[in-house]
Amino acid sequence: YEMTQPPSVSVSPGQTARITCSGDALPKQYAYWYQQKPGQAPVLVIYKDSERPSGIPERFSGSSSGTTVTLTISGVQAEDEADYYCQSADSNLTCVVFGGGTKLTVL
Amino acid sequence: EVQLVESGGGLVQPGGSLRLSCAASGFTFSSYWMHWVRQAPGKGLVWVSRINSDGTITNSADSVKGRFTIARDNAKNTLFLQMNSLRAGDTAVYYCARDPSDGSGYYFDRWGRGTLVTVSS
Repeated sequence: YEMTQPPSVSVSPGQTARITCSGDALPKQYAYWYQQKPGQAPVLVIYKDSERPSGIPERFSGSSSGTTVTLTISGVQAEDEADYYCQSADSNLTCVVFGGGTKLTVL
Repeated sequence: EVQLVESGGGLVQPGGSLRLSCAASGFTFSSYWMHWVRQAPGKGLVWVSRINSDGTITNSADSVKGRFTIARDNAKNTLFLQMNSLRAGDTAVYYCARDPSDGSGYYFDRWGRGTLVTVSS
């Protein structure tokens, strides 16, 4: 089972960044999003498709439609430049799957 | 404060073995599923293995099945990964991660800083 993300997304500060992730099991399984900055461990930014953990800025949001989930960052800031990974599980909950990651560049 | 601290990484020859540990603190370790996730240099995240809260259910990725074994000691709040028959492709930073889902769907709300495993002659 695979999940597909675009390798890179670029936006200017203050604009909206949208990172997509597609996978056949996404209609059945929740999606999760992680932010990873260089040399650091990943941080959960969205869980269960659209829920935001405490401490994560409101500009981070998630949505789901069919086999595609989307992480949206509104009013992008320079500090948001990072790699973003989607994650889910296969239909039978036998394995965990990550997308290949998307490098967000803030121009 | 929740803390996960990995240890045990290092340089090992192909075919060798290594045992990673993850010391947990700041939460009730015995109540959570736990996972190992790895990341090869410059590459993406890859799930390795998981274990349920009491250690009776384990599951691993096909790439490590039969070579890696996940285990836990709830009395010592410690997660382990025994890695045998190591290959160059196992070179990665290994993270332990906490799963708050109670087995209903897997994800990670806390991560350790990782420990680097390098497999090379």
